[in-house]
Amino acid sequence: LAKTTQPISMDSYEGQEVNITCSHNNIATNDYITWYQQFPSQGPRFIIQGYKTKVTNEVASLFIPADRKSSTLSLPRVSLSDTAVYYCLVGGGLYNFNKFYFGSGTKLNVKP
Amino acid sequence: EAQVTQNPRYLITVTGKKLTVTCSQNMNHEYMSWYRQDPGLGLRQIYYSMNVEVTDKGDVPEGYKVSRKEKRNFPLILESPSPNQTSLYFCASSWGTEPSTDTQYFGPGTRLTVL
Repeated sequence: LAKTTQPISMDSYEGQEVNITCSHNNIATNDYITWYQQFPSQGPRFIIQGYKTKVTNEVASLFIPADRKSSTLSLPRVSLSDTAVYYCLVGGGLYNFNKFYFGSGTKLNVKP
Repeated sequence: EAQVTQNPRYLITVTGKKLTVTCSQNMNHEYMSWYRQDPGLGLRQIYYSMNVEVTDKGDVPEGYKVSRKEKRNFPLILESPSPNQTSLYFCASSWGTEPSTDTQYFGPGTRLTVL
């Protein structure tokens, strides 16, 4: 059973780089790692996804080590509008690939 | 506009009174899913559906039912709600061709209180 563990909360200041790590020790060979962002009173929305090594898009980077037992979401130069909860998501593995397991989320608080 | 809609957005009910939360998507997605969100527990999957008439249990299916008679709709049914089902519920959908990599699009949420 794939389970993810994240820090409950993090504080940062505007302009800093923020790294949020997610642990997923039981990740299966076919599982991808996906990160979602959630603002209060809204549903989560997709940020980035990867399988291994590094992935970068216009809003974030995702670092995945060779053993894939963890992943790190990197947000460059955060602003106040990045204050949100960030969820790490992995699939259900080889036999439950249509099921998904979100972590409990990391509440990022960006201060001026 | 491509979106997932849920109704109602807020609902207060009493123990044992059957209720249905509707979910509809206009993106022709095959995969749909229900999650509940509770403080400290994050999002937990209740049920999902790969296509019409195909549904399966997620991580926390007890006390819930779903149906998928049409591709666009995926209602969540609580036959006999109990206070421990007080939660924030999200419906999500994705293309479904490759669920493990598909982006899930979430609805705005339904806040349910069972007294």
